[in-house]
Amino acid sequence: GDSVTQMEGPVTLSEEAFLTINCTYTATGYPSLFWYVQYPGEGLQLLLKATKADDKGSNKGFEATYRKETTSFHLEKGSVQVSDSAVYFCALSDPLAFGTGTRLTIIP
Amino acid sequence: DTAVSQTPKYLVTQMGNDKSIKCEQNLGHDTMYWYKQDSKKFLKIMFSYNNKELIINETVPNRFSPKSPDKAHLNLHINSLELGDSAVYFCASSQVSGWETQYFGPGTRLLVL
Repeated sequence: GDSVTQMEGPVTLSEEAFLTINCTYTATGYPSLFWYVQYPGEGLQLLLKATKADDKGSNKGFEATYRKETTSFHLEKGSVQVSDSAVYFCALSDPLAFGTGTRLTIIP
Repeated sequence: DTAVSQTPKYLVTQMGNDKSIKCEQNLGHDTMYWYKQDSKKFLKIMFSYNNKELIINETVPNRFSPKSPDKAHLNLHINSLELGDSAVYFCASSQVSGWETQYFGPGTRLLVL
């Protein structure tokens, strides 16, 4: 089965809308969790990460909290911008796995 | 300076040919990876090397062979290219295997005709 299950896209929002991209994982032990972002024509880059339960990763207004009880690491942003348009990947360290990616488009 | 670089950026070739993609990282990392991203953006790990030793070898055709001459380089050689090999191939590196942030190269866009 999938190690990382990510909300399917595409997701289209208006500027300043609230964003949630869901991610749940399956793993034994205590993996690290990541969100990577891929802008058009580029490689992936780390957006944020959390290494243990209840940790909150944050960067550029995005946040995600490592929830062991629900095995989730949902990505949120309170007010999205056009420049946030990209593909977002949830990832797990052990086993090493990436979600299927969620394409986000922000409309002015 | 680019942390993780790949060459070439674009590769267009005929079915049946053999090609190589090169990757270099100047971050001093111990672990390097190759990923394949298809047209739907699905990202699949293919191989991982730690200090020149193969540690992850997912189910990929044996036409794909990684080679790590030193820990800063991980090249990918593909024999007898097929149409289904068309994809974007990403190299990445991390300080240790899996647990730490991975740094990705810009990708090599391979098109097999």
